[in-house]
Amino acid sequence: NAGVTQTPKFRVLKTGQSMTLLCAQDMNHEYMYWYRQDPGMGLRLIHYSVGEGTTAKGEVPDGYNVSRLKKQNFLLGLESAAPSQTSVYFCASRTGSGSTYEQYFGPGTRLTVT
Amino acid sequence: AQTVTQSQPEMSVQEAETVTLSCTYDTSENNYYLFWYKQPPSRQMILVIRQEAYKQQNATENRFSVNFQKAAKSFSLKISDSQLGDTAMYFCAFMKPLGAQKLVFGQGTRLTINP
Repeated sequence: NAGVTQTPKFRVLKTGQSMTLLCAQDMNHEYMYWYRQDPGMGLRLIHYSVGEGTTAKGEVPDGYNVSRLKKQNFLLGLESAAPSQTSVYFCASRTGSGSTYEQYFGPGTRLTVT
Repeated sequence: AQTVTQSQPEMSVQEAETVTLSCTYDTSENNYYLFWYKQPPSRQMILVIRQEAYKQQNATENRFSVNFQKAAKSFSLKISDSQLGDTAMYFCAFMKPLGAQKLVFGQGTRLTINP
């Protein structure tokens, strides 16, 4: 049981390049989330999904797209990277049932855009 | 929209001391959940403790306890007998239990435990 994994762990992009971050969970969770973490600002929600085939915008969605074609995977795409997207990206998931409401986080991806 | 504020960017205490981290939030909701997450240098986000707003009793988890003041919209974390392994960033977070159950985080407090 690996929990939540993220690929890659580190990446350096040049302005204008594109890339996809992969989040995978093996806990059969319905809900998945993408956050970004910037110094002094905590974590902010980019996009989220409440089930396979569904996605929705979070607090800071501009410049990002997402897809949830399979229940266990949640992809975050940057079509044209900008220096402002330099950040640490976290994926999280949680079950849609139960009362703990705990989100389980991946280890993060550090992205630098030059 | 909900907001979460942590007014202490950094704190530092000696090992074995007790330390309290502050968190305030703003919401018009009556039912919600509050969390404290720990982020050590490894960057992994770890849930420390949770509190349901409808419960008057403050949550405790071993050396970690909270002081939840619903009317004041305050949710502080107390760490007793602090250990070197408690050195980390600590984030307070708010969540509504309905809908997408998104977390809204505070800015974080960097806690250093000195030997």
